[in-house]
Amino acid sequence: EAGVTQFPSHSVIEKGQTVTLRCDPISGHDNLYWYRRVMGKEIKFLLHFVKESKQDESGMPNNRFLAERTGGTYSTLKVQPAELEDSGVYFCASSQYVRETQYFGPGTRLLVL
Amino acid sequence: GESVGLHLPTLSVQEGDNSIINCAYSNSASDYFIWYKQESGKGPQFIIDIRSNMDKRQGQRVTVLLNKTVKHLSLQIAATQPGDSAVYFCAEIFFNQGGKLIFGQGTELSVKP
Repeated sequence: EAGVTQFPSHSVIEKGQTVTLRCDPISGHDNLYWYRRVMGKEIKFLLHFVKESKQDESGMPNNRFLAERTGGTYSTLKVQPAELEDSGVYFCASSQYVRETQYFGPGTRLLVL
Repeated sequence: GESVGLHLPTLSVQEGDNSIINCAYSNSASDYFIWYKQESGKGPQFIIDIRSNMDKRQGQRVTVLLNKTVKHLSLQIAATQPGDSAVYFCAEIFFNQGGKLIFGQGTELSVKP
């Protein structure tokens, strides 16, 4: 069974540009989560999808971040325009049920210059 | 507020010794506590969890202890091996909040051969 995959693995962009991160959860997993780890700090929750619906987006930093999960399969997280403080590692995780283990992808390392 | 933190950011042990990684938390409402291991270039990987009404749980070479009186969680790794070198995160999960994880800062474990 394939795990959670994320693309790209690394992204280097300039301040003001747009970047779109993609997450493909494990097939059949309705729950999809986005997390972010800013350098030297803890991993923080961004938002939670159940199928195509946003259940909780309380962790989204501001309106420069837009997450979508059309069709309830893969998800994208767009940052527009990117700022320096957006640099970090963005993780996606999925689970079949809320009470089950979340499986993490390898992350996308974003560097905003 | 919710917070999970770690006492030590780095830990260096000799191969074969036992390792103890500590974590403090402030929210008593969590359902489970979880330990994740993150190796370089990879996403967090589930190690072991413990339900909030338990005191101890053992896995293969790992034991998690939960002391609710002092709100303290620890991960013990027996006979630490070089492959155990990674960053270890403790996390709380809240089922009534869609299963989102609240992470601690992380402890980097370095195993010397």
